[in-house]
Amino acid sequence: GAGVSQSPSNKVTEKGKDVELRCDPISGHTALYWYRQRLGQGLEFLIYFQGNSAPDKSGLPSDRFSAERTGESVSTLTIQRTQQEDSAVYLCASSSRSGGIYYEQYFGPGTRLTVT
Amino acid sequence: ELKVEQNPLFLSMQEGKNYTIYCNYSTTSDRLYWYRQDPGKSLESLFVLLSNGAVKQEGRLMASLDTKARLSTLHITAAVHDLSATYFCAVDETSGSRLTFGEGTQLTVNP
Repeated sequence: GAGVSQSPSNKVTEKGKDVELRCDPISGHTALYWYRQRLGQGLEFLIYFQGNSAPDKSGLPSDRFSAERTGESVSTLTIQRTQQEDSAVYLCASSSRSGGIYYEQYFGPGTRLTVT
Repeated sequence: ELKVEQNPLFLSMQEGKNYTIYCNYSTTSDRLYWYRQDPGKSLESLFVLLSNGAVKQEGRLMASLDTKARLSTLHITAAVHDLSATYFCAVDETSGSRLTFGEGTQLTVNP
């Protein structure tokens, strides 16, 4: 079946502009995660949605970052007034749940954001 | 705060050789994941280790988990060039929550 998809695949924006990144999780996956990967580094957690519960926003680096998810479908990560340090690959992942157990996270291809 | 450390961070090895990548983590967890990332690509799930003593093998890669030592290993047997990639371990403290990733081990297998 279809995997996690993200759009756009690449985004170049000028400093100070707002950007929106989109994630379509695997159908039926109740949990959705956003991570950021700076060049040559590991992944940093940003935000996590679990069904209809309040999202865990504890990884968002500043109030310029926000994310929304509609039910158990698509999610949008918004970065306002972009800065050069926001340049990174933004990865989305989703996972399913059965009997209270969450399964592994499947990652999308990522959106490469470049702020000039 | 959960910390995950991998070593080595860079590994250059010859084809046919064996080597082990280590992943240490700082708090109690019994769920550990190994991912592979090729340059410019996303992460591919390799192994999910869910209990102390878990061992999983796929081809030339074998992963194990010791929750008491808070240590996982990824062992490479008779390396081939196709294994060249960056390997990440990741831990979640609570089932289904965020993953905390190690810095990654960049593996290069030379002919």
